[in-house]
Amino acid sequence: EIVMTQSPATLSVSPGERVTLSCRASQKVSSNLAWFQQKPGQSPRLLIYGASTRATGIPARFSGSGSGTEFTLTISSLQSEDFAIYFCQQYDSWYTFGQGTKLEIK
Amino acid sequence: VQLVQSGAEVKKPGESLRISCKASGYSFTGYWIGWVRQMPGKGLDWMGIIYPPDSDTRYSPSFQGQVTMSADKSITTAYLQWSSLKASDTAMYYCARMGASADYWGQGTQVTVSA
Repeated sequence: EIVMTQSPATLSVSPGERVTLSCRASQKVSSNLAWFQQKPGQSPRLLIYGASTRATGIPARFSGSGSGTEFTLTISSLQSEDFAIYFCQQYDSWYTFGQGTKLEIK
Repeated sequence: VQLVQSGAEVKKPGESLRISCKASGYSFTGYWIGWVRQMPGKGLDWMGIIYPPDSDTRYSPSFQGQVTMSADKSITTAYLQWSSLKASDTAMYYCARMGASADYWGQGTQVTVSA
C-alpha cells in the first residue's frame, strides 16, 4: 500500500499570507495526485487533480505542483473561507489519502 | 452533477443496513462510484469502487468482506450495505463520482451503531 504523509499536521496562518502544504508518497505515483479541501460539517471538495490541474470552479489562488513522490499545494493569499483541512490522495496504485493538514487562523 | 445520499441511521450492533447514493445530472453508467469512510474526528478512508454498468466492484483490503457495494443503473443509485454492524462502523460515509479523481461528492450519511 502506498502511504501518503502530509506535513505539517497543523498550520497557523494569517489571512492574506501565502501558504504551502506538503504531501509525500512512499513510492512514486507519477502525477496521479489529488488535493481535497474539507470544511467542518461538509463533504470533501476536489481542488486539484493530476498534481497541478485545478478542478472546475476552483479559484486561481490554489495551485498544485510536484510529481513522483513530492507534492505541494500552494494557496497564494489566504482568504477566510480557506481555513479548513486539506487532504492529498494518490490514485496511481489504488487510492490512499494522507492524514490531512489543518489550516487554522493565527 | 448531484449525488444525494440517504439520511442518517442509528442502528444496534448486529443489525443490517443499506445506505444509498442517488446520482443525477450525468451519465451514471459512464463513471465509477467510490465510497469513503470518515470516522469521528478522523481522516478519510477509501473503501472501494463500483462500476454501475456491470457492477464490477473493487474493495480496499480493510473493507473486503466487511461491506458490500452494489448499484442499480435503472434508478441511477449506488448502495453500500452491512450484514452485521459493529460499533466501530460508526462514521460518516460518502459516495463520490470517479471522474477526474473523486470530482463530485454526496453530502454524506452518518451511521451510528450503539447498543
